[in-house]
Amino acid sequence: EAQVTQNPRYLITVTGKKLTVTCSQNMNHEYMSWYRQDPGLGLRQIYYSMNVEVTDKGDVPEGYKVSRKEKRNFPLILESPSPNQTSLYFCASSSQGMYEQYFGPGTRLTVT
Amino acid sequence: AQRVTQPEKLLSVFKGAPVELKCNYSYSGSPELFWYVQYSRQRLQLLLRHISRESIKGFTADLNKGETSFHLKKPFAQEEDSAMYYCALRRWGGYQKVTFGIGTKLQVIP
Repeated sequence: EAQVTQNPRYLITVTGKKLTVTCSQNMNHEYMSWYRQDPGLGLRQIYYSMNVEVTDKGDVPEGYKVSRKEKRNFPLILESPSPNQTSLYFCASSSQGMYEQYFGPGTRLTVT
Repeated sequence: AQRVTQPEKLLSVFKGAPVELKCNYSYSGSPELFWYVQYSRQRLQLLLRHISRESIKGFTADLNKGETSFHLKKPFAQEEDSAMYYCALRRWGGYQKVTFGIGTKLQVIP
């Protein structure tokens, strides 16, 4: 089944403790993105990747890192999480030449 | 800078009534506009794209470059249309920087 998976789905952590949210797609898509969804703010793009080793900042990259070492994986790294990063995070992928993004199920992160 | 504005956080309509979800954008180049929908407990999914000019689940949307709008319309609302709707914009040509609006929750009253 073609899909985007994220792990973990739920995470509660403390300020300053490094964490990684994984994203994987099995559709051989070139493009992948990370978004955060906050009430009243909608979805905001954090980072995106056009292909392996090619990444660029979205609208809200501060406090996040990404890497794209393999085509199927696009992990989101929070080196030192803070409470303002408490949010619902979505990963998405799409194919070059296509317009539709396929979204993952979301990861709900709480930083205390 | 690119910006998408959805002025209504919540839109309530009665079943059978017409629906119009508003979307205005600000972008200096050639935009691609999309509508995404998120049903309860489901993933965000593409509803339609301006270039396709097709009707999906009875919804249509026309890009009006003069008014910089991309409103989503349906002549007769159904209960199953209740969901969050997001308007999104990216630069024409597949560039992957995408800007979403804050979303409009559509509530169809039986």
